[in-house]
Amino acid sequence: KAGVTQTPRYLIKTRGQQVTLSCSPISGHRSVSWYQQTPGQGLQFLFEYFSETQRNKGNFPGRFSGRQFSNSRSEMNVSTLELGDSALYLCASSLNPGQRETQYFGPGTRLLVL
Amino acid sequence: GENVEQHPSTLSVQEGDSAVIKCTYSDSASNYFPWYKQELGKGPQLIIDIRSNVGEKKDQRIAVTLNKTAKHFSLHITETQPEDSAVYFCAASSSDNNDMRFGAGTRLTVKP
Repeated sequence: KAGVTQTPRYLIKTRGQQVTLSCSPISGHRSVSWYQQTPGQGLQFLFEYFSETQRNKGNFPGRFSGRQFSNSRSEMNVSTLELGDSALYLCASSLNPGQRETQYFGPGTRLLVL
Repeated sequence: GENVEQHPSTLSVQEGDSAVIKCTYSDSASNYFPWYKQELGKGPQLIIDIRSNVGEKKDQRIAVTLNKTAKHFSLHITETQPEDSAVYFCAASSSDNNDMRFGAGTRLTVKP
């Protein structure tokens, strides 16, 4: 069974630009969560999607948004990029919301904002 | 909201020794406590978890203990091997809130 895949794996953008990251969950997993990982703040929850609806959202500005498609694939978007948005963005999928024991992480997309 | 503290931030042990990492949490509603291992260039991987209705859980060389009263839980790795070297994260979440909070991580180095 293929794991969680994220594309692209690496990305370089400049301040003010916007970026879209993609996540394909494990087959059969319907819940997708996004996390930001930085050396200073650690792993922080961004949001979770299930059935194409955002179920929960972390403490991030509105520049961070996401969506989920009918096939459970998810995208997250960051607009008006800032230097502090440089981070590893991790996607995790689980069978259903709340079933954390079934949660698997992808390898992440490393974003560098110059 | 939930706040998870993790100690130590770095840990170096000799191969064959045991390693213990400790975490505390603040939200008494938290009832699910996973531990993740993250190797360089990879996403976190769930290695063991425990729910609040259990005090201890073991899986081969790895064990987790939970003290609900004191709001702390610990990861124990016995007979450590060089391949155990990685960053380990604890986390806490509740059934009502899917916002999982992570500890800051512990970089474990196992010297051969």
